[in-house]
Amino acid sequence: GNSVTQMEGPVTLSEEAFLTINCTYTATGYPSLFWYVQYPGEGLQLLLKATKADDKGSNKGFEATYRKETTSFHLEKGSVQVSDSAVYFCALSEGGSNYKLTFGKGTLLTVNP
Amino acid sequence: NAGVTQTPKFQVLKTGQSMTLQCAQDMNHNSMYWYRQDPGMGLRLIYYSASEGTTDKGEVPNGYNVSRLNKREFSLRLESAAPSQTSVYFCASSLTGSNQPQHFGDGTRLSIL
Repeated sequence: GNSVTQMEGPVTLSEEAFLTINCTYTATGYPSLFWYVQYPGEGLQLLLKATKADDKGSNKGFEATYRKETTSFHLEKGSVQVSDSAVYFCALSEGGSNYKLTFGKGTLLTVNP
Repeated sequence: NAGVTQTPKFQVLKTGQSMTLQCAQDMNHNSMYWYRQDPGMGLRLIYYSASEGTTDKGEVPNGYNVSRLNKREFSLRLESAAPSQTSVYFCASSLTGSNQPQHFGDGTRLSIL
């Protein structure tokens, strides 16, 4: 079956530091890949997505590239802010008619001033 | 701009009680989903409805039932609540297709004593 593995947190950074959160996946077919963000007390919000190999998703300074050869979709940001403190989830949706999401366990990011 | 609305936001039940969690979306989405979120487990799919009139089991359906009342509404019912069902429940909706992101409500925090 499908699975998503994220680096375990928590991750604590200082403001303006570089962020990488690793995500690797196992899937049959050609999945679409997503990063979602969850701020305290809220639901999940889509951060970015990529639907085919070598696509780069980007939003709010975050980027992730769909790497089929390494089955990875690592999240990066060059300079984090305190407001980026949240839980980040990597997820995949299998291709074809099956579009359920499979989530990683989430990575808690705390950014200190 | 309501998006996905869940009610109630908080609920405390006693073991054996029943209740229904309500979810409604105003984005004309075909597909709707129910997840539970537990610490260290990420989000796990309980049930989903690919389109009005259809429902299917997800990863953890035991102890739950669902009803897709119409295109807008998708309810989750606990017939006889158990402490193991203490969790945060999220409803989501999406357009049809594996590359379509899901839109989440703010969650229902349910405690079962």
